[in-house]
Amino acid sequence: QKEVEQNSGPLSVPEGAIASLNCTYSDRGSQSFFWYRQYSGKSPELIMFIYSNGDKEDGRFTAQLNKASQYVSLLIRDSQPSDSATYLCAVNGLGLNTGFQKLVFGTGTRLLVSP
Amino acid sequence: DVKVTQSSRYLVKRTGEKVFLECVQDMDHENMFWYRQDPGLGLRLIYFSYDVKMKEKGDIPEGYSVSREKKERFSLILESASTNQTSMYLCASSRRLSGVQETQYFGPGTRLLVL
Repeated sequence: QKEVEQNSGPLSVPEGAIASLNCTYSDRGSQSFFWYRQYSGKSPELIMFIYSNGDKEDGRFTAQLNKASQYVSLLIRDSQPSDSATYLCAVNGLGLNTGFQKLVFGTGTRLLVSP
Repeated sequence: DVKVTQSSRYLVKRTGEKVFLECVQDMDHENMFWYRQDPGLGLRLIYFSYDVKMKEKGDIPEGYSVSREKKERFSLILESASTNQTSMYLCASSRRLSGVQETQYFGPGTRLLVL
């Protein structure tokens, strides 16, 4: 089982719709959860992070966390063609030998927003 | 504003060459990371450093080494480049961990082609 799982997509939505991106993780001890957006050929950029169960809103973006179900999601309201990108979910986890926390990334979901 | 820079956007090297990739951050971050990103495999951690002259192996350290002589600079070294090291290399930095995972900020990436 992968540590962080995402559906690779593509997830296709029309402009103006809500896009829902999902991520599950295996480490019950994880405490920090991040969503990054990555345009083709570019590096990941942070959209938002969430630490507590429930919802966190930032503009058109809402992150939802359910630790009991080990599930984190990202909702994008009023989707725009410029939102077309790959969205990476990242979860903190223990390092291999040192106990140093590291981020574990999913392989990403490709979102396509059509005009 | 957060800034992580990488020495090259594109590099072409020959098998057996020694390759240096440099990363500089201006945010006074303690932690720095090197990842490689390949299609279908996502971001994989090569090495990280949580302080000057300190380094820890990530998930795929074989064939790589690192150097951190100054806080702002973290170098990735391919001792003898091989074709299977053709990839996108991403550097990231973050503040020191304090119970929760701090956000990692990424540089623009270096696309390395080994012939």
